[in-house]
Amino acid sequence: KQEVTQIPAALSVPEGENLVLNCSFTDSAIYNLQWFRQDPGKGLTSLLLIQSSQREQTSGRLNASLDKSSGRSTLYIAASQPGDSATYLCAVRGAGGTSYGKLTFGQGTILTVHP
Amino acid sequence: DTGVSQDPRHKITKRGQNVTFRCDPISEHNRLYWYRQTLGQGPEFLTYFQNEAQLEKSRLLSDRFSAERPKGSFSTLEIQRTEQGDSAMYLCASSLGAGTRLPYQETQYFGPGTRLLVL
Repeated sequence: KQEVTQIPAALSVPEGENLVLNCSFTDSAIYNLQWFRQDPGKGLTSLLLIQSSQREQTSGRLNASLDKSSGRSTLYIAASQPGDSATYLCAVRGAGGTSYGKLTFGQGTILTVHP
Repeated sequence: DTGVSQDPRHKITKRGQNVTFRCDPISEHNRLYWYRQTLGQGPEFLTYFQNEAQLEKSRLLSDRFSAERPKGSFSTLEIQRTEQGDSAMYLCASSLGAGTRLPYQETQYFGPGTRLLVL
């Protein structure tokens, strides 16, 4: 059974700092990994998707890396802003078997960026 | 695209009542997913449709839960005889999959969710 863990559970940083969020997964047989953002009481917004054959993806100030063999991904946020405050979730899509349709999520990292 | 929409956004009900939620996916998206999220946790998969066929169901989906996607467009999730433990955010997502091939570059787009409170 795939398990996804995110560290840290919460992070508070001053504006302007660069930061790294970590995600680990137990089963390396994945098709892709997605990072999402969730604002309080709202749905999820997809930030980046990394295919299993890729090492990283970049979008603006965000960079996500994937090391499938070790079961790890990191989300790097450069020059953080108060508007980045949200919960960040990573999710993996399993490969094959009966799990190919679903995403397995971590519990999230709550990020607070204070001015 | 107008995005994934869900209705209602909030639902308060008494234990034992039945509730039904609706999800309208992004038009032309053939895949539709339901997830449940409790406070402080990540979403958990409930079920998955490709067109009108329900292809996967989680063990979380007890006999009191039923989901349909009758014409391969919108979907409904019904909970019968609600219990306090059913209180959660119910999220719907959709994606465009390439026929029966397993999509390796597929983004799931999520709706705003329906927050259910069972008293």
